[in-house]
Amino acid sequence: QSALTQPRSVSGSPGQSVTISCTGTSSDVGDYNYVSWYQQHPGKAPKLMIYDVTKRPSGVPDRFSGSKSGNTASLAISGLQAEDEADYYCCSYAGSYTWLFGGGTKLTVL
Amino acid sequence: EVQLLESGGGLVQPGDSLRLSCAASGLTFSSYVMTWVRQAPGKGLDWVSGISPSVGTTYYADSVRGRFTISRDNSKNTLYLQMNSLRVDDTAVYYCAKKMGGSWNLDYWGQGTLVTVSS
Repeated sequence: QSALTQPRSVSGSPGQSVTISCTGTSSDVGDYNYVSWYQQHPGKAPKLMIYDVTKRPSGVPDRFSGSKSGNTASLAISGLQAEDEADYYCCSYAGSYTWLFGGGTKLTVL
Repeated sequence: EVQLLESGGGLVQPGDSLRLSCAASGLTFSSYVMTWVRQAPGKGLDWVSGISPSVGTTYYADSVRGRFTISRDNSKNTLYLQMNSLRVDDTAVYYCAKKMGGSWNLDYWGQGTLVTVSS
């Protein structure tokens, strides 16, 4: 299976909003409401930010939100802060105990 | 608090073998699907393998099937990844990650262990 497709980079100024897309197929993103998003700072482990397409784990600011339409999921970040600068990865369950990740998007806060 | 601690990484030559371990605490380990995910230097995340909670049914990415073996010892709260016939392109940080209860997302991750395959 091919990786999910994400833009390589996005950027925004503090206080602005950005959206990161994640495109899969009808066999993964389109077939399951098990899309998650991870934030990864350099040298650190991925941190779960969104799961089940739209849900936030405890402690994740409500500035982070997720959505899905068809085979494309999206992560929106509002009120950008300097600490949001990181790599972001989408992930979709693909059936039979397998998961598919996106290639990652580097978020730069200008 | 859930903690996952990987160990066993290191520098090996192509063709060598290595066994990674992931020690879990703060959870009922035997209740959860566990997985290995890797990240090559400067690259994205790549799912490697998964194992069911108790019966131990296993699943692999095509890139490692036949070379890697995932296993678990629920009495020791430990997940393993036996890696044989290692190749240069297996070089990566290997993370163990736990499947969320009631949902097919990966919620807790370890800090990772680096495997370098080089001659």
